[in-house]
Amino acid sequence: DSGVTQTPKHLITATGQRVTLRCSPRSGDLSVYWYQQSLDQGLQFLIQYYNGEERAKGNILERFSAQQFPDLHSELNLSSLELGDSALYFCASSVDPGGSRKTQYFGPGTRLLVL
Amino acid sequence: DAKTTQPPSMDCAEGRAANLPCNHSTISGNEYVYWYRQIHSQGPQYIIHGLKNNETNEMASLIITEDRKSSTLILPHATLRDTAVYYCIVVRMDSSYKLIFGSGTRLLVRP
Repeated sequence: DSGVTQTPKHLITATGQRVTLRCSPRSGDLSVYWYQQSLDQGLQFLIQYYNGEERAKGNILERFSAQQFPDLHSELNLSSLELGDSALYFCASSVDPGGSRKTQYFGPGTRLLVL
Repeated sequence: DAKTTQPPSMDCAEGRAANLPCNHSTISGNEYVYWYRQIHSQGPQYIIHGLKNNETNEMASLIITEDRKSSTLILPHATLRDTAVYYCIVVRMDSSYKLIFGSGTRLLVRP
């Protein structure tokens, strides 16, 4: 158990819909990262937040957005869903993005199926 | 970020050491080598990381060559539960610490 929690574990929805994935980082971790893992793309970095502020962006679609709240939990919002958005979505957290405390610990993931 | 090259698959017998190689010939001085593994569709699990010295923890050992262009992850006594995809990732030490996952090595531990 990494200490990172993600809800829900599974999500089934229809095309065009909007969903919200939630992540609670390990106690004391200030940085949250979101990754997407699809069958054809592998594990891809989406976005990073540090202490409430966006720190880095990867290949995140404009239909996707995220935020980190004052209590440091994070939400990933996916809208206008398409079949190709079906994937595993992982959240990871680390103490600090700088210096030596960079090790990311991953949650169990949310499996999204868009029908 | 430096690119890594890993064999697509390997296998070893249960109880024997598993040695997983990684080539990172373009690594720069401020980049660390990290190893993660993913068992089936679970979240990636951190194993170990290093800069230039060899490292050991309760899970594995990491041997980095003197020129830092390659490394080897060693699982000293592989068990069936070590069957997973192992990712070698080079990470730059700056404020953005995104992990760039390649294809990894699929390790099969045989009974």
